[in-house]
Amino acid sequence: EVQLVESGGGLVQPGRSLRLSCAISGFTFDSYAMHWVRQAPGEGLEWVSGISWNGANTGYADSVRGRFTISRDNAKNSLYLQMNSLRPEDTAFYYCVKAGYSPRAFDYWGQGTLVTVSS
Amino acid sequence: DIQMTQSPSSLSASVGDRVTISCRASQNIGPFLNWYQQRPEEPPKLLIFAASNLQSGVPSRFSASGSGTDFTLTIDGVQPEDSAAYFCHQSHSSLAWTFGQGTKVEIK
Repeated sequence: EVQLVESGGGLVQPGRSLRLSCAISGFTFDSYAMHWVRQAPGEGLEWVSGISWNGANTGYADSVRGRFTISRDNAKNSLYLQMNSLRPEDTAFYYCVKAGYSPRAFDYWGQGTLVTVSS
Repeated sequence: DIQMTQSPSSLSASVGDRVTISCRASQNIGPFLNWYQQRPEEPPKLLIFAASNLQSGVPSRFSASGSGTDFTLTIDGVQPEDSAAYFCHQSHSSLAWTFGQGTKVEIK
């Protein structure tokens, strides 16, 4: 059974940092690209960042580029999101998501972890 | 990044109605368009991939079509359990897989 379990969310003050983790099981982690998608309460989905299977390529939404860093440890079956200089508008549920090849889509999602940026 | 524009933002339908949601990409994305359903308090679920292919287990009242820049999701004979938000999503880019703004479907 595929499982993606996020952790590391919580309440943080503006300007501070937080690191999200995602523990993966149930598939060959080092064969797939992975992504982070966020959703502010009551709002739509926003793609945040993605990383290739080997970590060689990464991508970021304009809203987080330069502040967030995605990484992965294939030996530990783990995905990470380092979030620096947090802003109130970063408040959201953050989902760890697996990208499939066929289908070329987000085929598995974690349950999400809530990040609240507030003083 | 490719921008996805979805409409309407919300709609209300009666059980048995036909519901149509549109999605437009800012550039040609070929068939790389997916649809997700998200019920309250749950993560999104893949509904349709590659523009028109139903994910396993999805009821046949769901269908979708389109290619290039214009796409449509249809629910033929909407049911109470279809009350949810629906998102289009492009997977044409190498990593920047962006979403439409979403459509909230309410069943009267």
